[in-house]
Amino acid sequence: TQLLEQSPQFLSIQEGENLTVYCNSSSVFSSLQWYRQEPGEGPVLLVTVVTGGEVKKLKRLTFQFGDARKDSSLHITAAQPGDTGLYLCAGAGGSQGNLIFGKGTKLSVKP
Amino acid sequence: DAGITQSPRHKVTETGTPVTLRCHQTENHRYMYWYRQDPGHGLRLIHYSYGVKDTDKGEVSDGYSVSRSKTEDFLLTLESATSSQTSVYFCAIRGQDQFIQYFGPGTRLTVT
Repeated sequence: TQLLEQSPQFLSIQEGENLTVYCNSSSVFSSLQWYRQEPGEGPVLLVTVVTGGEVKKLKRLTFQFGDARKDSSLHITAAQPGDTGLYLCAGAGGSQGNLIFGKGTKLSVKP
Repeated sequence: DAGITQSPRHKVTETGTPVTLRCHQTENHRYMYWYRQDPGHGLRLIHYSYGVKDTDKGEVSDGYSVSRSKTEDFLLTLESATSSQTSVYFCAIRGQDQFIQYFGPGTRLTVT
C-alpha cells in the first residue's frame, strides 16, 4: 500500500516568516501534486511535479520533487495571511493513475 | 473552473436511511471520483468511474455504492447510513493530464 506522510500536521506562524512543508513516502510516484484547500471548499491544484529533482516556482511558493520521486517539499517565502489554508500533497501511481493523498498541513499565518 | 457541481451541499439524515449524493460535470470527462475527507485521515478514495457503467472500488468502499448511467453524472449511495459515514464528500474529475484532478465544492453529510 502506498502511503504519503505529510509534516508538520499544523503550522502557525507570523506574517513574513518562511516555512517548509514535507511530503514523504517509501514508494515511487509517477508525479506528485500539491493542492490548497480553504474551509468549505474543495482542494485546488497548485502545481504538478513529474521529473525527479524538478523545482517549480509559483510566486512565493517553491515546490521540489525528490531525485528518487519518493518525496516532495513546499517552501513558502515571506508568508502572508492569504496563504492560510490546508495544504495537501498527492502522489499518482498504480495502473489507473489514482491519487494517494497525504493527511494535510493546516497552515495559519497571523498578521 | 472544471464545471463540477455537487448536490446537496449539506444534508442531515438519520441512521439507517438511504442517502444519494450527486456529482454533475459539464465537460465530458471520462474519469470521475468520490472521496471522503475526515480530520486526521485526509482525502480517501471511495469509488471511481472510468466511463459510463464502468466503476471500481477505492480504499474505503464498504457501505457505499455508485452508479454512472451517463457521462455527466456520478451518484454515490449510502444504502443504510451509519454515524461513521458522517463526513465531507468530494467529487472530482480527471483533467486532460491524467495525474491532475479537479474537485467539486463538497457535500457535508451528518448522520445522527
